[in-house]
Amino acid sequence: NAGVTQTPKFRILKIGQSMTLQCAQDMNHNYMYWYRQDPGMGLKLIYYSVGAGITDKGEVPNGYNVSRSTTEDFPLRLELAAPSQTSVYFCASSYSIQGSNQPQHFGDGTRLSIL
Amino acid sequence: GQNIDQPTEMTATEGAIVQINCTYQTSGFNGLFWYQQHAGEAPTFLSYNVLDGLEEKGRFSSFLSRSKGYSYLLLKELQMKDSASYLCAVRDWIKAAGNKLTFGGGTRVLVKP
Repeated sequence: NAGVTQTPKFRILKIGQSMTLQCAQDMNHNYMYWYRQDPGMGLKLIYYSVGAGITDKGEVPNGYNVSRSTTEDFPLRLELAAPSQTSVYFCASSYSIQGSNQPQHFGDGTRLSIL
Repeated sequence: GQNIDQPTEMTATEGAIVQINCTYQTSGFNGLFWYQQHAGEAPTFLSYNVLDGLEEKGRFSSFLSRSKGYSYLLLKELQMKDSASYLCAVRDWIKAAGNKLTFGGGTRVLVKP
C-alpha cells in the first residue's frame, strides 16, 4: 500500500531557482492538497484540486503553481525560489464525499531549504 | 475565516492522562479532525467529530461541543510513543467543497518516564 508518495524527500535550492515537487496517490482519491508547515506551526493550505483538470487556491498560494492532468498526480511548482519558501511541504488526498468523516491522507513530506 | 487555538506544549508522565483542548470560531461548522504527528513525519488521522459528545477509540477519545466551539482530545495510559504533536483541524460548510480543512498550530506533548 503506497498511499501518497512525495519526491524528493529533501532538497536545497538557491534563491531564484525553480523546481517541481512531485506527489502521487494510488487510492483513487479525487481530492488532493498541498500544504506547507513551518517549524513549530500548523499546516497552511497552498493549493487544492477536486479532480483532474480542476485546481484552486488555498490560504497561501503566492509563489506556487499546480497542475492536475491525471487523478493520480498533483505536482507543485516553485518558479522563483525565495528564502520565505523554506519549509516542509506535505501533499494529501481524500475521498470526494463532501461533509463526510473521510480524513485526508498525507505523504511523508518534502523538506525544502532555499539558500 | 476561521480561528483555531490549541496550547503550544504539554508535559505529562508515562501512564497518566492528558487532555488537549481546541477552541475554534467558524461561520458554519462541518466537522473536526484530530491528527497525530511525530517529529519529522507526516500527520496521521486519529479521530473525527461532527455531533456533540464523546468518540472513543481505545486509549484516545475526542469530545465536541458545537455550541461552545470546543473540542478536546484525551490520551489515557500515556506511553512514551505518544510523544508527538497533536493537530486540531476544522472543516466548515463554506470550505466543505473539496473537503478542505483549517489546522490549528498543534500541541506538542512530551511524555516523561
